[in-house]
Amino acid sequence: QKEVEQDPGPLSVPEGAIVSLNCTYSNSAFQYFMWYRQYSRKGPELLMYTYSSGNKEDGRFTAQVDKSSKYISLFIRDSQPSDSATYLCAMDPMDSNYQLIWGAGTKLIIKP
Amino acid sequence: DAGVIQSPRHEVTEMGQEVTLRCKPISGHNSLFWYRQTMMRGLELLIYFNNNVPIDDSGMPEDRFSAKMPNASFSTLKIQPSEPRDSAVYFCASSLGRFYEAFFGQGTRLTVV
Repeated sequence: QKEVEQDPGPLSVPEGAIVSLNCTYSNSAFQYFMWYRQYSRKGPELLMYTYSSGNKEDGRFTAQVDKSSKYISLFIRDSQPSDSATYLCAMDPMDSNYQLIWGAGTKLIIKP
Repeated sequence: DAGVIQSPRHEVTEMGQEVTLRCKPISGHNSLFWYRQTMMRGLELLIYFNNNVPIDDSGMPEDRFSAKMPNASFSTLKIQPSEPRDSAVYFCASSLGRFYEAFFGQGTRLTVV
């Protein structure tokens, strides 16, 4: 079993819909949870990060962490075609100051 | 700043040839990472430099892979000899401070035939 599980998709939704992207993990020691966005033929870029449990909002994006369930989510409101990309979750194992444990990424397609 | 600059963007080479990938990190950043991304294995950290010093190269798959950072503005990743299974997208990333806020280059798409 991988430490971080993420459905590769693709997930296809109509423009304007609320999108929910998720990752599950097995290591309860994870404390920092990151979401990266990767456009086709580009490198990943950090979208949001959350420390421990709770929610964090940034514009149309909300990151949510449920440590009791070992489950994290990224919600996108009022989705736009420009949101079409692969979204990767990543987690900090805390025994390193440079290593991340990455999900496989979910490919998201927003249909106009 | 132009961001992290990688060259070449695409590389097609024959098995057995030497391949050198290049990276110019963002000026002032003190951490540099080389990653490899494939469909099968996702994103993997190959090597991490801090202040030009290799800190962890445990992700380098074999002795065929080597990386150098002769100064703060340049790094190379070399594969010699290359094999078809090395085909992947190789990313360089740099950061200052929080490593998860690293900025990635656009990657080098390597195809070994």
